[in-house]
Amino acid sequence: EIVLTQSPVSLSVTPGEPASISCRSSQSLLHNNNQNYVDWFLQKPGQSPQLLIYLGSFRASGVPDRFSGSGSGTDFTLEISRVEADDVGTYYCMQALQAPETFGPGTKVDIK
Amino acid sequence: QVQLQESGPGLVKPSQTLSLTCTVSGGSTSYGSYFWSWIRQPAGKGLEWIGRIYTSGNTYYNPSLKRRATVSLDQSKNQVSLKLTSATAADTAVYFCARGSENLDPYYYYMDVWGKGTTVTVSS
Repeated sequence: EIVLTQSPVSLSVTPGEPASISCRSSQSLLHNNNQNYVDWFLQKPGQSPQLLIYLGSFRASGVPDRFSGSGSGTDFTLEISRVEADDVGTYYCMQALQAPETFGPGTKVDIK
Repeated sequence: QVQLQESGPGLVKPSQTLSLTCTVSGGSTSYGSYFWSWIRQPAGKGLEWIGRIYTSGNTYYNPSLKRRATVSLDQSKNQVSLKLTSATAADTAVYFCARGSENLDPYYYYMDVWGKGTTVTVSS
């Protein structure tokens, strides 16, 4: 089973400032089609997860361009260019390269 | 707009079968390039993928559940079901269903629609 780790565990951000979350995998998530099989989700308090980024860097429909994903192989990053109050919640990375799909432990983001 | 609604007993006794239903509205479980997944989340903890079924009927499960899970489609009712046998307290969690949609270029499936989740407690 592929293990994902995330850092930091939690993050407190001033509105308008950037934020960055790291996701590291125990194995490369690079598929032989040259795509990285990693997604990012945001779970707002009391809600279900919502897809932000798929294949490492593709923004899902309706996701603001403040959110961006990057990385390849085993190291991935989710960046928020200017954090807004609505961005609070727990961010999860997930790998879909190898069954079972697995999630990182989450990074909790709140507003200062 | 597709919506998913999970339902089922909120309380299940240990050793019994946990049975949940996900009702799909605004879309079909019979057509299109989709899969339907179940994911769970114990209180205050992270997400665990349970299994999924494609519209074709192909299924995949998390081996950690030791073959206790079965995901099925009832296309006449537009529902996706989860059965988890021999329930224990460790199965206590919020259970989510999610739709996986096909992306053609680049080719991929991503989970773009989630239900609100339903809470299940396993206790005598």
